[in-house]
Amino acid sequence: LAKTTQPISMDSYEGQEVNITCSHNNIATNDYITWYQQFPSQGPRFIIQGYKTKVTNEVASLFIPADRKSSTLSLPRVSLSDTAVYYCLVALYSSASKIIFGSGTRLSIRP
Amino acid sequence: GAGVSQSPRYKVAKRGQDVALRCDPISGHVSLFWYQQALGQGPEFLTYFQNEAQLDKSGLPSDRFFAERPEGSVSTLKIQRTQQEDSAVYLCASSPRTSGATYNEQFFGPGTRLTVL
Repeated sequence: LAKTTQPISMDSYEGQEVNITCSHNNIATNDYITWYQQFPSQGPRFIIQGYKTKVTNEVASLFIPADRKSSTLSLPRVSLSDTAVYYCLVALYSSASKIIFGSGTRLSIRP
Repeated sequence: GAGVSQSPRYKVAKRGQDVALRCDPISGHVSLFWYQQALGQGPEFLTYFQNEAQLDKSGLPSDRFFAERPEGSVSTLKIQRTQQEDSAVYLCASSPRTSGATYNEQFFGPGTRLTVL
């Protein structure tokens, strides 16, 4: 399973755009890049997933360069409620097996 | 609809006691996962069920950990002779399919916080 590396923590302010970059140098051909969000005392929650180029949903955008060795989660106009831990994962498309979470990025949003 | 539920939410056990943690997955979800999350760390995989079959238990840390899903719905994670290092949050997740044409997002419950004294 591919290992991911992401910053331990990030700080930003309300209304700003936040970009969290994740590196996954040994990603396999069939791996998808997936991001989860976790609030204190809750289980992780799926945010977005992609294979290449750009994916956008109502919550975030995911940018994946052609070599797929890294990816960037973009959160537009963050609010205090976006304070959470964000996990970058690579997982097989079928995802019927284990997910390797890593330690995640602790994002703190200030007023 | 209802999400994944877990009970109890908090459990305090004395070292050496046995504990049982329950997971109620989303109705109809085929896949069920257990994870262990230590303070300040990401969740770590313990075991995976497809219906009632336990297909992967490679993450169970010792033979004191046992999981079952006898009817392919509710699952129980049992820890025998608990040790202090077992203190963690135990997360359960379910997924609607085993494989297929779309990514199988895992839906997580709130977890059970186990404290072993």
